[in-house]
Amino acid sequence: NAGVTQTPKFQVLKTGQSMTLQCAQDMNHEYMSWYRQDPGMGLRLIHYSVGAGITDQGEVPNGYNVSRSTTEDFPLRLLSAAPSQTSVYFCASSRVSGNTIYFGEGSWLTVV
Amino acid sequence: QQPVQSPQAVILREGEDAVINCSSSKALYSVHWYRQKHGEAPVFLMILLKGGEQKGHEKISASFNEKKQQSSLYLTASQLSYSGTYFCGTESYGGATNKLIFGTGTLLAVQP
Repeated sequence: NAGVTQTPKFQVLKTGQSMTLQCAQDMNHEYMSWYRQDPGMGLRLIHYSVGAGITDQGEVPNGYNVSRSTTEDFPLRLLSAAPSQTSVYFCASSRVSGNTIYFGEGSWLTVV
Repeated sequence: QQPVQSPQAVILREGEDAVINCSSSKALYSVHWYRQKHGEAPVFLMILLKGGEQKGHEKISASFNEKKQQSSLYLTASQLSYSGTYFCGTESYGGATNKLIFGTGTLLAVQP
């Protein structure tokens, strides 16, 4: 059982480049979300989705886009990478609100 | 707005007890507790869904005071394996459901 799978695990980008962090879950979960984690800041919600075709902004959405065309996939796009986006990114999913949230293993992104 | 966790850090000897608090400025629908080891994804501990609810998991338990908009995590007879950063996550009434916001974390170090 794969759970929540994120790719890539490590990535170095140059300022201004764009890229997509992939997230897939095989648990048929309706709820998916993206968090970034920076030292001393905890986990901050970037975007989330309550089902295919439905997305909404979290606490820190600027500079990121998401889409949810299928239940399984929830990619996060960095439109024009900035050094401030250097962080660890976690994708997460849960069946419904108030249920256990399962995290992917994380993606370490460095923007130089 | 992020829930506030206290203390920010705590150092224990094996066998000692600790309490980690989580408070919110908003009325809470649910409180989640997670533990994260360095370099790893957060791992689910428990969810509290009702005001006054208490839950236990081995020697780790939690309470939820809906009226005070607070939750506390209790670690008794701590073990070395309890070391890590503990996060509370909250879902609030009045906003979108499924929007889980995490606190900044409490670093727990258990020493032999």
